[in-house]
Amino acid sequence: SQTIHQWPATLVQPVGSPLSLECTVEGTSNPNLYWYRQAAGRGLQLLFYSVGIGQISSEVPQNLSASRPQDRQFILSSKKLLLSDSGFYLCAWWREGRGNEQFFGPGTRLTVL
Amino acid sequence: AQKITQTQPGMFVQEKEAVTLDCTYDTSDPSYGLFWYKQPSSGEMIFLIYQGSYDQQNATEGRYSLNFQKARKSANLVISASQLGDSAMYFCAMSPDRGSTLGRLYFGRGTQLTVWP
Repeated sequence: SQTIHQWPATLVQPVGSPLSLECTVEGTSNPNLYWYRQAAGRGLQLLFYSVGIGQISSEVPQNLSASRPQDRQFILSSKKLLLSDSGFYLCAWWREGRGNEQFFGPGTRLTVL
Repeated sequence: AQKITQTQPGMFVQEKEAVTLDCTYDTSDPSYGLFWYKQPSSGEMIFLIYQGSYDQQNATEGRYSLNFQKARKSANLVISASQLGDSAMYFCAMSPDRGSTLGRLYFGRGTQLTVWP
């Protein structure tokens, strides 16, 4: 069966500090991978998606970047965090032919102070 | 651009009653998918139901059914026989990527459902 991991689960960082959130998927190969952000009381906003190693597409201009160094690893980064980067970050995967729905990880709750 | 609208910030329903959560969408894509996810207070996203834009019948999954009205661009979720454990945030989402391999999802702002005994 497939599982998706995210770490850390929670993170408190000062403004201006760097960020690295990691997502890994087990039990599947060649998945599409996605990063979403959920601000407090809001829906999920698609930030980045990747259809393969080294292939990153950005949905919205922002202070964040993403990388996919391995097939089942997706990393969300920032060089200098802003207050507005606070939120709940969710990683998800989908693969054509494996059903219609995306599968989500447990999320990382980021607070920037 | 895709736009998903959920006009009900909060809904209340008594246990064992049915409830309808509204969702409208706007897209110019001819082929798309519609989804509903449940998010309990723990934050996990739980897939509930899917409807393809060319599906002839409304989707059903146990107590969940999707009332799909393509001409009105609406995809309301109906939960029958509500249970206390149904209390959660519910999100409607759309993927414009049917027929492609991108699989992107765009979400509404959600409806907080509270089931009371």
